[in-house]
Amino acid sequence: GAGVSQSPRYKVAKRGQDVALRCDPISGHVSLFWYQQALGQGPEFLTYFQNEAQLDKSGLPSDRFFAERPEGSVSTLKIQRTQQEDSAVYLCASSLTRWELFFGEGSRLTVL
Amino acid sequence: SQELEQSPQSLIVQEGKNLTINCTSSKTLYGLYWYKQKYGEGLIFLMMLQKGGEEKSHEKITAKLDEKKQQSSLHITASQPSHAGIYLCGADMGQGAQKLVFGQGTRLTINP
Repeated sequence: GAGVSQSPRYKVAKRGQDVALRCDPISGHVSLFWYQQALGQGPEFLTYFQNEAQLDKSGLPSDRFFAERPEGSVSTLKIQRTQQEDSAVYLCASSLTRWELFFGEGSRLTVL
Repeated sequence: SQELEQSPQSLIVQEGKNLTINCTSSKTLYGLYWYKQKYGEGLIFLMMLQKGGEEKSHEKITAKLDEKKQQSSLHITASQPSHAGIYLCGADMGQGAQKLVFGQGTRLTINP
């Protein structure tokens, strides 16, 4: 596709469930980013990949959060044992240069 | 993030009027990015500023980075309904453009 694609767009999970959010970056983009955006707030950095290497995961809020990009293309953000405070929009972005990030439309997670 | 403050948090202007959104940092900015977000959608890149005193324009939107590189302003001339949305500033505070710190956003409403 022409842009960054994220799925599912909407996810409702019961507290304690595991969820997996997928990101398909723009073809050829080596850099991939995950951000978390709480309601009414700006996005907050979670993690960054260059190809398949996870170069920075300092923003992951707990060890319940895990991201992978095994083949350097599609990435999955997994949240284990979801909590209500995990409710947010999870944004994926990819980049060819260091300057311009192309964001997907996000996956909105609601934890009940 | 408290490191990056946007003002105002919300703004309602009449179509055709000019407006300014400010982004103030507590630290030196190595790069400042402006994005626009519509509800339920991803972020759209507008402009990037790096040098103190730099000014860039795109259509009716102009962004400036002050000489001390701790504040940026976004100015819209003759606002149109299409300008409505949330404007976010994102900053490289020395950890690289791959780890942007975002402000909380400014919600812009344009009244006909």
